[in-house]
Amino acid sequence: DAGVIQSPRHEVTEMGQEVTLRCKPISGHDYLFWYRQTMMRGLELLIYFNNNVPIDDSGMPEDRFSAKMPNASFSTLKIQPSEPRDSAVYFCASSRPGTGEIFGPGTRLTVL
Amino acid sequence: QKEVEQDPGPLSVPEGAIVSLNCTYSNSAFQYFMWYRQYSRKGPELLMYTYSSGNKEDGRFTAQVDKSSKYISLFIRDSQPSDSATYLCAMKKDSNYQLIWGAGTKLIIKP
Repeated sequence: DAGVIQSPRHEVTEMGQEVTLRCKPISGHDYLFWYRQTMMRGLELLIYFNNNVPIDDSGMPEDRFSAKMPNASFSTLKIQPSEPRDSAVYFCASSRPGTGEIFGPGTRLTVL
Repeated sequence: QKEVEQDPGPLSVPEGAIVSLNCTYSNSAFQYFMWYRQYSRKGPELLMYTYSSGNKEDGRFTAQVDKSSKYISLFIRDSQPSDSATYLCAMKKDSNYQLIWGAGTKLIIKP
């Protein structure tokens, strides 16, 4: 298995632009998680899905953030408009019951 | 008070030493316990996954859970410079719940 796939790996954008991060979970995993990691705040859960349905989005910082999972093999996290404080590494992870979460390589986002 | 407490370190030990990493927690409902390793500029990598109390061994790594004390440990035997990384503990109440994370301990193994 290729593991969790994320794209792009790096994204540099200007404040006010829309940013879309993409994730392909491991086949057969029915949970998908979006995390954000910064030096100051550590690893933060933004939202997670079960069987493509959002279960808990209480970690989404504000309305500028949105996430979708249109099918079992694809999810997006969108930031519109982006701000410099959104600069962080964004991880996607997937799991199935009885296993731990498997993380992707992350997307390093820089908002100028 | 955080639900999961973990000393951020750094913890520096000589190569070949036994390393002990620990987390304490406050919620007695936690049942599933995990340890992750994260190298710089990489994603967290699942090392150990345990359910309830007891020990689990995998190569040089041993995970230990003491639910009566609300304390979990990760032991690394014969530590190597390649073990230098940040180690995060994580736990959850049920297989369907989200993970609650420790802050991570930075480990440095000196050659």
